[in-house]
Amino acid sequence: TQLLEQSPQFLSIQEGENLTVYCNSSSVFSSLQWYRQEPGEGPVLLVTVVTGGEVKKLKRLTFQFGDARKDSSLHITAAQPGDTGLYLCAGGSDYKLSFGAGTTVTVRA
Amino acid sequence: DTGVSQNPRHKITKRGQNVTFRCDPISEHNRLYWYRQTLGQGPEFLTYFQNEAQLEKSRLLSDRFSAERPKGSFSTLEIQRTEQGDSAMYLCASSLEVSRAIQETQYFGPGTRLLVL
Repeated sequence: TQLLEQSPQFLSIQEGENLTVYCNSSSVFSSLQWYRQEPGEGPVLLVTVVTGGEVKKLKRLTFQFGDARKDSSLHITAAQPGDTGLYLCAGGSDYKLSFGAGTTVTVRA
Repeated sequence: DTGVSQNPRHKITKRGQNVTFRCDPISEHNRLYWYRQTLGQGPEFLTYFQNEAQLEKSRLLSDRFSAERPKGSFSTLEIQRTEQGDSAMYLCASSLEVSRAIQETQYFGPGTRLLVL
């Protein structure tokens, strides 16, 4: 059972379009992390957000942490084929990470 | 390469056989974690070590599973009498505990994909 709900489950867009994926939970987390995972590989950390209301930008990626620290979003501007992958959010509580099921993003050239 | 490494990358075995996976964490990291990921799901926590001490085991870790980190460096995960339901990607991660107040970053290895026939 995943504590974190991610939506949508799948997203397919054309190169150059924007996309947003969401991560929601009924639990409060001390931090929330976003990972990207490619087939056959382990997750790679993109960002950690710790403060309610926090917004972080990483080039074309914008991450937002909800005020109540229960939800988060990832927005990608002008998506590129290299952005294709499984995007996972994970809630941190002390040492343990609880992952959502992920959003599979496909960016078509 | 100073990242987390896992061996083997792939393992195919017959039901009932035992398998062992190895994880080499980033050298200075004192925490090591094992996760399991099945198709269409995110990783699920199995167990973690602080140095050589195993501090928590998930209820997902049945009696057939055992993990060790004998010298506080590499770790092994053994599955005895494998079942088809054990087929999954087994991920190892490591981190450096700096402060209890800070959620440290977990760095993941490439995983070991297990297929039980």
